[in-house]
Amino acid sequence: QLQLQESGPGLVKPSETLSLTCTVSGGSISGYYWTWIRQSPGKGLEWIGSVYYSGSTYYNPSLKSRVTTSLDTSKNQFSLRLRSVTAADTSVYYCARHPWITDYGDSYNWFDPWGQGILVFVSS
Amino acid sequence: DIQMTQSPSSLSASVGDRVTITCRASQSIRSYLNWYQQKPGKAPKLLIYGASNLQSGVPSRFSGSGSGTDFTLIISSLQPEDFATYYCQQSYSTDLFTFGPGTKVDIK
Repeated sequence: QLQLQESGPGLVKPSETLSLTCTVSGGSISGYYWTWIRQSPGKGLEWIGSVYYSGSTYYNPSLKSRVTTSLDTSKNQFSLRLRSVTAADTSVYYCARHPWITDYGDSYNWFDPWGQGILVFVSS
Repeated sequence: DIQMTQSPSSLSASVGDRVTITCRASQSIRSYLNWYQQKPGKAPKLLIYGASNLQSGVPSRFSGSGSGTDFTLIISSLQPEDFATYYCQQSYSTDLFTFGPGTKVDIK
């Protein structure tokens, strides 16, 4: 059974960089997209960005200038870096697998499974 | 950006009730619509993908339908473990995946 676990600091100072890692167990990171999503009371669920096992990435346009995602196939991990954080970046951050399937020309995709989430506060 | 709305924002229901939740997209998303269930303090869990495909392991009392801009999630007979918040999510626009604001189902 595939499991994901986020790790990283729970407190980040304003203007600094938020760095999180997602460790995947019970399956290989190869062959899939992997994604970061966050949830705050004020903004609901927000997709941050996804990274393919080959390293290609795509990001939420509103965060693109501050986000980097990467993965390490040798460790079965992928990571998120969000630069220049403010209080508005305080959220629960989730990692998830982002499967895609092609069915008669349609390319469905979804987020499953998710990690348990990690609460990150941005405060001095 | 494709905006997702849900109605109602919350509802109260009893065990055994049939529950219907509606999701609307601001433009056609064909059948690229997913549904998730989230319980307090837990991560969202995929219920349905592609508007109507039940994820493996999800009880058959959950069903989804719709295409274009209007979608429905139905719980045919509400069970105690189904009290949660439900979110729709469009996977059509790969530039920006977006979620609905959620529908909270609580006990009447």
